[in-house]
Amino acid sequence: KNQVEQSPQSLIILEGKNCTLQCNYTVSPFSNLRWYKQDTGRGPVSLTIMTFSENTKSNGRYTATLDADTKQSSLHITASQLSDSASYICVVRPYYGNNRLAFGKGNQVVVIP
Amino acid sequence: EAQVTQNPRYLITVTGKKLTVTCSQNMNHEYMSWYRQDPGLGLRQIYYSMNVEVTDKGDVPEGYKVSRKEKRNFPLILESPSPNQTSLYFCASSSGISGNTIYFGEGSWLTVV
Repeated sequence: KNQVEQSPQSLIILEGKNCTLQCNYTVSPFSNLRWYKQDTGRGPVSLTIMTFSENTKSNGRYTATLDADTKQSSLHITASQLSDSASYICVVRPYYGNNRLAFGKGNQVVVIP
Repeated sequence: EAQVTQNPRYLITVTGKKLTVTCSQNMNHEYMSWYRQDPGLGLRQIYYSMNVEVTDKGDVPEGYKVSRKEKRNFPLILESPSPNQTSLYFCASSSGISGNTIYFGEGSWLTVV
C-alpha cells in the first residue's frame, strides 16, 4: 500500500478560482513533508517544505497546511492561473531509516480560461 | 545558476545495448539520486548516494547500476536495457536529505525497443 495518498487524482478548475489538494500519509514518525509542482515533461520544482512541528507554509499563491495528528496535508492554490496547470506531488521523509522519500502519485490540476 | 543537468534528454535504444545517462550538479551537493516516473505510478527511487563512493539501492534498483566517483556526477547505467525500462528518468540532488530543497533535473526520456 502506498504510504502517501493524494486526492483528487485530477481536477479541472476555472482561472481565478481557488482549489485545495489533499495528501494523506501513513509514514510515522516523519521528518518533513514537501509539496512539489511538476509541469508536464519537466522536473519537479519545490513549493514548500514543512517539518513535523509546522502547521502552515506559504509560497506566493500556494499555501500548504499540515496536521501531524491526523497525518494530513493540503495544498491550497489561490486565484489560480493558467500556469498553475501541473501535477502537484506530496513527498514525505521518514524520521528514521534509509533516507528514502515516500512519494505520492500527484494531483493533476488543469486550469481553464 | 543552480542546475542539475542530465544527458541525453531523449533516447531511443534497442534491447541489450548498454547505455549511460549522465547527471551533473553544480551546487556541491552531497546527496544525489535517480528516479523513474511512469504513468499512474508516480516517482520511484532507483538508487541514491549520500556522498562520494557511497551509494545505496532505492525501491526499484533491478537492472540499473550507479557510481559516484566525483561529488558532482552520478551516472545511471543500464547494462542490458529491456523494454520495461522505457520510462522518464530524473536525477536529483540536495545538500543532505534532512530539510533541504531537492533539485531535480529536466528528465531523460528513454525508450527501449
